Amino acid sequence: GQSLEQPSEVTAVEGAIVQINCTYQTSGFYGLSWYQQHDGGAPTFLSYNALDGLEETGRFSSFLSRSDSYGYLLLQELQMKDSASYFCALNDYKLSFGAGTTVTVRA
Amino acid sequence: GAGVSQTPSNKVTEKGKYVELRCDPISGHTALYWYRQSLGQGPEFLIYFQGTGAADDSGLPNDRFFAVRPEGSVSTLKIQRTERGDSAVYLCASSPTGGYQETQYFGPGTRLLVL
Repeated sequence: GQSLEQPSEVTAVEGAIVQINCTYQTSGFYGLSWYQQHDGGAPTFLSYNALDGLEETGRFSSFLSRSDSYGYLLLQELQMKDSASYFCALNDYKLSFGAGTTVTVRA
Repeated sequence: GAGVSQTPSNKVTEKGKYVELRCDPISGHTALYWYRQSLGQGPEFLIYFQGTGAADDSGLPNDRFFAVRPEGSVSTLKIQRTERGDSAVYLCASSPTGGYQETQYFGPGTRLLVL
């Protein structure tokens, strides 16, 4: 089976940088995805790592190290609208999600 | 274009009743997924359709749950003899071809409450 661990909550101020770590155990996967979900909303895709290293998409970056079974999502220049839950997920045609990290951005 | 839509957005039912939840995927997407999300948890995989057929139903919790996609577009998740533990948000997602590394596009979900 698959299991993923990520912190339950992170709080930061506007303009700050937040890193959400994700460690996983799996027998095999194709890549690590990150999704954002606002309260009551649909999960929306943020970033994907098929290979080790850093992927940058605007203010968001994601990193994967397969040898360490570890990844992270980096949120830069935090804005109030970034307050949401963030999920890491292992890709294997279906997604296996972590429990999510609630990010709260304070003014 | 239109995204994934799900109806109803909310459903309240009584224990023991039957419910149907509908998903309209993005037009042209052959892959369709159902997930269930309990409060404070990440989505949990239920079933994956490739076209009209269920390619993987390993996540369905028991035989009270069933899903169909008869024409390869709209899908219906059916729950018989509902139990209070079935209360959750049921999410549908679609992707263009079901490729291992494709982005999945999620609908807003149906919030099911079993009283």
